[in-house]
Amino acid sequence: DAGVTQSPTHLIKTRGQQVTLRCSPKSGHDTVSWYQQALGQGPQFIFQYYEEEERQRGNFPDRFSGHQFPNYSSELNVNALLLGDSALYLCASSLGPSNQPQHFGDGTRLSIL
Amino acid sequence: AQTVTQSQPEMSVQEAETVTLSCTYDTSESDYYLFWYKQPPSRQMILVIRQEAYKQQNATENRFSVNFQKAAKSFSLKISDSQLGDAAMYFCAYRAYTGTASKLTFGTGTRLQVTL
Repeated sequence: DAGVTQSPTHLIKTRGQQVTLRCSPKSGHDTVSWYQQALGQGPQFIFQYYEEEERQRGNFPDRFSGHQFPNYSSELNVNALLLGDSALYLCASSLGPSNQPQHFGDGTRLSIL
Repeated sequence: AQTVTQSQPEMSVQEAETVTLSCTYDTSESDYYLFWYKQPPSRQMILVIRQEAYKQQNATENRFSVNFQKAAKSFSLKISDSQLGDAAMYFCAYRAYTGTASKLTFGTGTRLQVTL
């Protein structure tokens, strides 16, 4: 039973660039949530996707956007990267948007130079 | 807005001993969920235990138990018979009971060290 998988594991970008992170939910799950975890902090909710639509959004600028595909996998896109975007990006999946617990992936470590 | 506060940045416990991690939260909701997640160096967030606010009985999962004080908005985690594998960051998290999305609000975490 495959868990939540994220790619890539680690990514290095420079300021102003754009990045795409990918997430495949746990088998049987249809809802994907994205979180940003800065160093030494707890994860912060970015947004959640269900039925290929953004269902809820946290306090993040429009530079952060996402997409969900018919197979339930998801992408997180960040444009015009800033140094402050350096963080661990976690993907979590669940069956339905209101169900718990959420199962997390190992994250993508994004470093901005 | 809901907030979660973990006032202990680091804690240390000897193997086989008991340790309690603290968490307080602020909400105007009457029904909600509370969670403790463990994050080892592998980075994956692992659910340790969950508590529904409408349940008066404290949740227990093997060596892990909580002390849920709804009036005080306190939700502490007790780890009994600590093991080396318990060493990790522990995050307290809140989720509203109602609504169509399952946004989690996390605290800043407590790093637990387990010594021999």
